[in-house]
Amino acid sequence: EAQVTQNPRYLITVTGKKLTVTCSQNMNHEYMSWYRQDPGLGLRQIYYSMNVEVTDKGDVPEGYKVSRKEKRNFPLILESPSPNQTSLYFCASSLSGRSTGNTIYFGEGSWLTVV
Amino acid sequence: DAKTTQPPSMDCAEGRAANLPCNHSTISGNEYVYWYRQIHSQGPQYIIHGLKNNETNEMASLIITEDRKSSTLILPHATLRDTAVYYCIVRVVGGHNFNKFYFGSGTKLNVKP
Repeated sequence: EAQVTQNPRYLITVTGKKLTVTCSQNMNHEYMSWYRQDPGLGLRQIYYSMNVEVTDKGDVPEGYKVSRKEKRNFPLILESPSPNQTSLYFCASSLSGRSTGNTIYFGEGSWLTVV
Repeated sequence: DAKTTQPPSMDCAEGRAANLPCNHSTISGNEYVYWYRQIHSQGPQYIIHGLKNNETNEMASLIITEDRKSSTLILPHATLRDTAVYYCIVRVVGGHNFNKFYFGSGTKLNVKP
């Protein structure tokens, strides 16, 4: 079954404690992306990756890092989480980022609370 | 910049067609219109997409105006399980031929018995 898998699904952490949210897709997709969703603000893109070792900032990259060492994985790293990063996070992937016709698939989301 | 404009909410009676409008007046020639929905806080679910022709699949129909500046998503027989936030999205090409997905606020569709 084609899917995008995120872990953890739910996490409560403390300010300043580094954490990583993993994302994996089994569709051999080139393009992967991270979004955060906050009440009243819709989904906003954090980072995206066109392919292995190719990443770029989205609209709200501050406080986040990503890496793309393998095609299937695209972890989101919060080096020093702060309460304003409390949010619902979604990972997404599509076959290619160079064609507007590809469908994007989303993971089920990761609830992150920073206290 | 806002790429699409949708009404914040709509009501629909169960069993009736739900017609969700979207304006995308700045769309360019190679940009597709996508529709997704989000039920509660689950991952957004793909519904349908199109470029210029009307499209239909097992979930919905997409009607795109001839000038491509607006579109309508049609759920032909809405059920209570179709209650969700519906997002109309234009898939854009960024500054380095990269794609971005711009999500607006969407339309909250309330299907009522």
